[in-house]
Amino acid sequence: AAGVIQSPRHLIKEKRETATLKCYPIPRHDTVYWYQQGPGQDPQFLISFYEKMQSDKGSIPDRFSAQQFSDYHSELNMSSLELGDSALYFCASRKGTEAFFGQGTRLTVV
Amino acid sequence: QKEVEQDPGPLSVPEGAIVSLNCTYSNSAFQYFMWYRQYSRKGPELLMYTYSSGNKEDGRFTAQVDKSSKYISLFIRDSQPSDSATYLCAMSGYSSASKIIFGSGTRLSIRP
Repeated sequence: AAGVIQSPRHLIKEKRETATLKCYPIPRHDTVYWYQQGPGQDPQFLISFYEKMQSDKGSIPDRFSAQQFSDYHSELNMSSLELGDSALYFCASRKGTEAFFGQGTRLTVV
Repeated sequence: QKEVEQDPGPLSVPEGAIVSLNCTYSNSAFQYFMWYRQYSRKGPELLMYTYSSGNKEDGRFTAQVDKSSKYISLFIRDSQPSDSATYLCAMSGYSSASKIIFGSGTRLSIRP
């Protein structure tokens, strides 16, 4: 069965650089979520999209932005990267009662 | 106060034991309750979901919800070393557009 695909799996960036993370949801899923998970922490909700419209916003820094495209894939853009942005970034897609996560992108800011 | 509170653990039990993992919540808007298992450096894996009070079984796993007490549990019977992972409870509103809020996770270790 198709799963949530995230790319890249690993990313190393320097401080003040920009990063773009991509998420390809499960076909026919109508909601995409983005989460940030620091070491030993639970996933923190960043932002979500329902039918390509932003549906909710969590603790997402102003330096970050996201969008969902006509083909339902989503991108998380992160600018002016800081050391504290180093984390696992997960995307999830949902239809109805089931929400599935991708394997995440590990971002390291050096 | 966080919307979802989860017993932090860590929890270490011998193989074959029954494990009980618990979460409480404060937001009455939560209607869907999920349990995820997460291995180190991997994405959370959906184990079970439920949306009504009562019990739901799936193999060795039982999810229990008590909406009146705002309390959910996951029971694992005949625990196996391969069950060793971090377990996260998660909750959401009824709509697909609702955000999913996670508990802080319980790290479980099953000793052979």
